[in-house]
Amino acid sequence: GESVGLHLPTLSVQEGDNSIINCAYSNSASDYFIWYKQESGKGPQFIIDIRSNMDKRQGQRVTVLLNKTVKHLSLQIAATQPGDSAVYFCAENKRLSFGAGTTVTVRA
Amino acid sequence: KAGVTQTPRYLIKTRGQQVTLSCSPISGHRSVSWYQQTPGQGLQFLFEYFSETQRNKGNFPGRFSGRQFSNSRSEMNVSTLELGDSALYLCASSSGLGTDTQYFGPGTRLTVL
Repeated sequence: GESVGLHLPTLSVQEGDNSIINCAYSNSASDYFIWYKQESGKGPQFIIDIRSNMDKRQGQRVTVLLNKTVKHLSLQIAATQPGDSAVYFCAENKRLSFGAGTTVTVRA
Repeated sequence: KAGVTQTPRYLIKTRGQQVTLSCSPISGHRSVSWYQQTPGQGLQFLFEYFSETQRNKGNFPGRFSGRQFSNSRSEMNVSTLELGDSALYLCASSSGLGTDTQYFGPGTRLTVL
């Protein structure tokens, strides 16, 4: 079946550095992608989305890049802060399984 | 505007029992989706309701069911509980079907003993 999946289960980042979280998807017909952040004890929180007619979208300290040729999605977090420590999920449209996510740990 | 609320937050049941979880969406939202989150499987889509009708369904056995009321509040039920049903059950609401943003509740932590 169709699926999305993150490349690495964990990512350790030095505070102040940039973080890059990657995700691959399999359905070439997908036209909408979302990144979510889930902090401990909370439900996932919307970070940023991108439609397939775009290659890049920027938010506050976050950038999502979409490469439709290789069906790859990435989330870049600039100047990573301790509050960015969480599990990050990518999602294709909104109904597919999100996978286990990437756990980002920020080192002081 | 109040966020998505889920009750109860924590629940302990034994095998063979049934359980009902409740979700109140953001005011004005008509779509409610349910997900199961486990450490091994991540977030798995259960089903989506819109205007009291199930619109989409994930790959879960018939023991998992749900419904939506006219005020958009939703419940999900799991019958004949199994140990593997222990998970965080998340509810998400959105204004409609399609590719609009979902807002998640804090989840109900179900433990099956």
